[in-house]
Amino acid sequence: GESVGLHLPTLSVQEGDNSIINCAYSNSASDYFIWYKQESGKGPQFIIDIRSNMDKRQGQRVTVLLNKTVKHLSLQIAATQPGDSAVYFCAENQPSGTYKYIFGTGTRLKVLA
Amino acid sequence: ETGVTQSPTHLIKTRGQQVTLRCSSQSGHNTVSWYQQALGQGPQFIFQYYREEENGRGNFPPRFSGLQFPNYSSELNVNALELDDSALYLCASSAVAGAYEQYFGPGTRLTVT
Repeated sequence: GESVGLHLPTLSVQEGDNSIINCAYSNSASDYFIWYKQESGKGPQFIIDIRSNMDKRQGQRVTVLLNKTVKHLSLQIAATQPGDSAVYFCAENQPSGTYKYIFGTGTRLKVLA
Repeated sequence: ETGVTQSPTHLIKTRGQQVTLRCSSQSGHNTVSWYQQALGQGPQFIFQYYREEENGRGNFPPRFSGLQFPNYSSELNVNALELDDSALYLCASSAVAGAYEQYFGPGTRLTVT
């Protein structure tokens, strides 16, 4: 069935470097995407969202890029900090009349000191 | 913190038993969605409640049921528990039943033995 997937299950980066987490989605009709951060023992935390009529959206230290041509989503974290260590999920909303979000399996980001 | 609370934090049940999990949504939010997150997986949509009515359901059997109350708090009920029901159960609230950001609670860890 339709699903959201991630290319890399684990990403290790040096503190201070930029991180890029990628996500592939399969449903070209999805109209809304969210990135979540989940720390151990906690629920997912909203980071940033983007609608399908946009290519790029920036937040504080984070940028989401959407490439609808290849159905690809990425999350860029600038100047990665130890507190950024977590599992990151992308989620897509499929406009089927029911607003439910399809999550991928996640990418674990490890920040090396 | 998102303002979404869940209870209990942890729960251990025996196969065949029934369980009720509770969620209080963030102030001003009238929509609650429930997700099941198995270990090492992304959250999977169970169902959503809007104004006390079910507003969409994922691929979960009827033994998963829910309620939403006039104050927008919600319950998830699972009957005839199976071992595979062991997971983190997350609720998320949003301001409207649409493609808006959802704010997650910390989850309830259910273990079925």
